Amino acid sequence: SAVISQKPSRDICQRGTSLTIQCQVDSQVTMMFWYRQQPGQSLTLIATANQGSEATYESGFVIDKFPISRPNLTFSTLTVSNMSPEDSSIYLCSVEDRGSGAFFGQGTRLTVV
Amino acid sequence: LAKTTQPISMDSYEGQEVNITCSHNNIATNDYITWYQQFPSQGPRFIIQGYKTKVTNEVASLFIPADRKSSTLSLPRVSLSDTAVYYCLVGDEKDSSYKLIFGSGTRLLVRP
Repeated sequence: SAVISQKPSRDICQRGTSLTIQCQVDSQVTMMFWYRQQPGQSLTLIATANQGSEATYESGFVIDKFPISRPNLTFSTLTVSNMSPEDSSIYLCSVEDRGSGAFFGQGTRLTVV
Repeated sequence: LAKTTQPISMDSYEGQEVNITCSHNNIATNDYITWYQQFPSQGPRFIIQGYKTKVTNEVASLFIPADRKSSTLSLPRVSLSDTAVYYCLVGDEKDSSYKLIFGSGTRLLVRP
């Protein structure tokens, strides 16, 4: 099973600023995924981060707002740009281990004030 | 469009067996059925996966009828610590564009 380290675990940010969330995996994985989970809600996929190519964004999410980096097979970052209170949420990264399901980080709890 | 439908919530008592049914009428031939458990303030955790008939592991059983249009997660003798949200997902892991799409999940509350 993959072990995922996600940082920071939580942050309180001023509106208009940006926050970069890091996701480190203990093994090489092809695809990494970024999700958002608002309080009491299910997870919503933001984008798929592929090493060596642009991330693939889901409907309603754009690169300018959520730029993603994937410099190698064990690491990815998600930036939440120009934040507003509506961006307050939990952000999770995950990796897929085919045949064993997906593994998730503990999440980053973001509060924008 | 969600590919699965589950009850929003369920209540149970300690020691009981809990069965959560998920509908997936449009499941594709190559799709697997996977269940995840999520505790508050944690990411989802893989519970069990199956393709057809019955799968059992140390945590749960998964029952899938022949038409595969539904599946039932069975948790034997639940305890208070099984209070969580349970998600049913379907998808083809071998598809290069495969990605996890979460539905609303079932919020299970286990009472003493």
